[in-house]
Amino acid sequence: KAGVTQTPRYLIKTRGQQVTLSCSPISGHRSVSWYQQTPGQGLQFLFEYFSETQRNKGNFPGRFSGRQFSNSRSEMNVSTLELGDSALYLCASRLAGGLGEQFFGPGTRLTVL
Amino acid sequence: DAKTTQPPSMDCAEGRAANLPCNHSTISGNEYVYWYRQIHSQGPQYIIHGLKNNETNEMASLIITEDRKSSTLILPHATLRDTAVYYCIPQGGSEKLVFGKGTKLTVNP
Repeated sequence: KAGVTQTPRYLIKTRGQQVTLSCSPISGHRSVSWYQQTPGQGLQFLFEYFSETQRNKGNFPGRFSGRQFSNSRSEMNVSTLELGDSALYLCASRLAGGLGEQFFGPGTRLTVL
Repeated sequence: DAKTTQPPSMDCAEGRAANLPCNHSTISGNEYVYWYRQIHSQGPQYIIHGLKNNETNEMASLIITEDRKSSTLILPHATLRDTAVYYCIPQGGSEKLVFGKGTKLTVNP
């Protein structure tokens, strides 16, 4: 069974631009979560989707948004990029909502210049 | 969310057991203890979880104290590939994982 895939793996943008990152969960998994990892703040939860509905959200500004499609694939969007948005963005999938192990993808490394 | 305390770093000789402690004194009754690890530049990887009984799988063993205020992850025969940051995460009904700073384990040859 294929693991969680994220595209693109690397991305360079400039301040003020927007970016869309994609995540394909493991087949059959319906829950997708997004995390941001920076050297200063560590791993921080962004949001979680289950059956196309956002069920949990972290403490990030409204510039960070996401969605999930009927096939469970998910996208996250960051608008008006800032230098501080440079980070590794990780997606994790889980079979269903609630507890259970999460399977992480390799991440998208975003650099904002 | 329960707070956790883990030593920032530990060293272990290859082939020896690695015992990684975690203090989670504010854990609530419905929170499981999950352990993940992150090898450099990769996404975190699930290791094991438990509620109050000790657990073992092909990767590791988890020992949870009777009062559930602390736990220890045991890698019985550490290899160089076990060098990673290890995170102990209490998780209840919320789907999100709250990562602390974890323990950087270095396995030395």
